[in-house]
Amino acid sequence: EAQVTQNPRYLITVTGKKLTVTCSQNMNHEYMSWYRQDPGLGLRQIYYSMNVEVTDKGDVPEGYKVSRKEKRNFPLILESPSPNQTSLYFCASSVTAISGANVLTFGAGSRLTVL
Amino acid sequence: AQTVTQSQPEMSVQEAETVTLSCTYDTSESDYYLFWYKQPPSRQMILVIRQEAYKQQNATENRFSVNFQKAAKSFSLKISDSQLGDAAMYFCAYRSARGEKTSYDKVIFGPGTSLSVIP
Repeated sequence: EAQVTQNPRYLITVTGKKLTVTCSQNMNHEYMSWYRQDPGLGLRQIYYSMNVEVTDKGDVPEGYKVSRKEKRNFPLILESPSPNQTSLYFCASSVTAISGANVLTFGAGSRLTVL
Repeated sequence: AQTVTQSQPEMSVQEAETVTLSCTYDTSESDYYLFWYKQPPSRQMILVIRQEAYKQQNATENRFSVNFQKAAKSFSLKISDSQLGDAAMYFCAYRSARGEKTSYDKVIFGPGTSLSVIP
């Protein structure tokens, strides 16, 4: 089944404890992206990747890191989480980024709480 | 920069009735794509419908249709014969078409409209 898989789905952590949210897709998609969803703000892009070893900042990159060493994986790293990073996170992918026609396929979401 | 606005934070509709969700956007581009995504309580983001800006004909998917007014930069979603399973958060989204890298690498989402369906 074609899908985007995120883990963990739920996580409660404490301020300053490094964590990684993994994202993997099995569709050979070139484009991958991370979003955070907050009430009243919709989804905001954190980072995106056009292909392996090509990443760039979205609208809200502060406090996050990413890497794209393999085409299928795009982990989101919070080096020192803070309570304002408490949110619902989505990973998404599309065939390429070259055409805006390409529809995003989303993961199931990861609910992160930072105490 | 492009922006997407959804002016109705919450809406409700009687089962079997029709409801229209509003979306407006701001852009200086002429070629782009617009989307409606549905997010049910499961949180999964599901594509409802897509519209190409160069097409004058409004997109339709079963009970879902859009009213795309390019000049007015408006992209409303009409749900006919509403069903209980339509209850969800609905997001309008914008994505640039082919162009410079910084044009098409982002998908801009609106804040969402929470739709309730009354039995």
